[in-house]
Amino acid sequence: GEDVEQSLFLSVREGDSSVINCTYTDSSSTYLYWYKQEPGAGLQLLTYIFSNMDMKQDQRLTVLLNKKDKHLSLRIADTQTGDSAIYFCAGSGGYQKVTFGIGTKLQVIP
Amino acid sequence: DTEVTQTPKHLVMGMTNKKSLKCEQHMGHRAMYWYKQKAKKPPELMFVYSYEKLSINESVPSRFSPECPNSSLLNLHLHALQPEDSALYLCASSPTGYEQYFGPGTRLTVT
Repeated sequence: GEDVEQSLFLSVREGDSSVINCTYTDSSSTYLYWYKQEPGAGLQLLTYIFSNMDMKQDQRLTVLLNKKDKHLSLRIADTQTGDSAIYFCAGSGGYQKVTFGIGTKLQVIP
Repeated sequence: DTEVTQTPKHLVMGMTNKKSLKCEQHMGHRAMYWYKQKAKKPPELMFVYSYEKLSINESVPSRFSPECPNSSLLNLHLHALQPEDSALYLCASSPTGYEQYFGPGTRLTVT
């Protein structure tokens, strides 16, 4: 099955860019996702990328996919305190199944 | 209406109680999901409904019983739970079976 790995913690200063990294094992994953979870809340789908794409940009968010290295990254430009949350990388481990990473806690320092 | 709603927001129940969690979406999504999330962990899939039929059951104990009365509504019936079942229960829906949209969750405490 799919295995998704990501670092546990990232700390950045307000206004800087944040880059959250993720590696996955299943090269047949159709989609790769980034979800955001604030304390006590559900998961918010931030963005997703189809496996035949290299990059996707959506306002302050940029997703880069390196299929050769099975590496996915999420860049948040001009990081704000409201971006403080846990970010989950996930892959479509199969139809109707999503495999989540452990989550990266992003701390934004004012 | 572009969201998934869940009720109640919080629930405290004893081990002998019977209670239900409710999830609703009006986006026309035909796949709906229940997840369990413990603190500092990613969500774990419990059940998947596709076109109102149960398509995936991740070997969940029978004290959790899902029900999908119609395409907009998903229930999770709880009976004789254990303290270790205390968690955030998340509902999600998907238009395609791939990208999933989550509700805010029900925080369940079993005493």
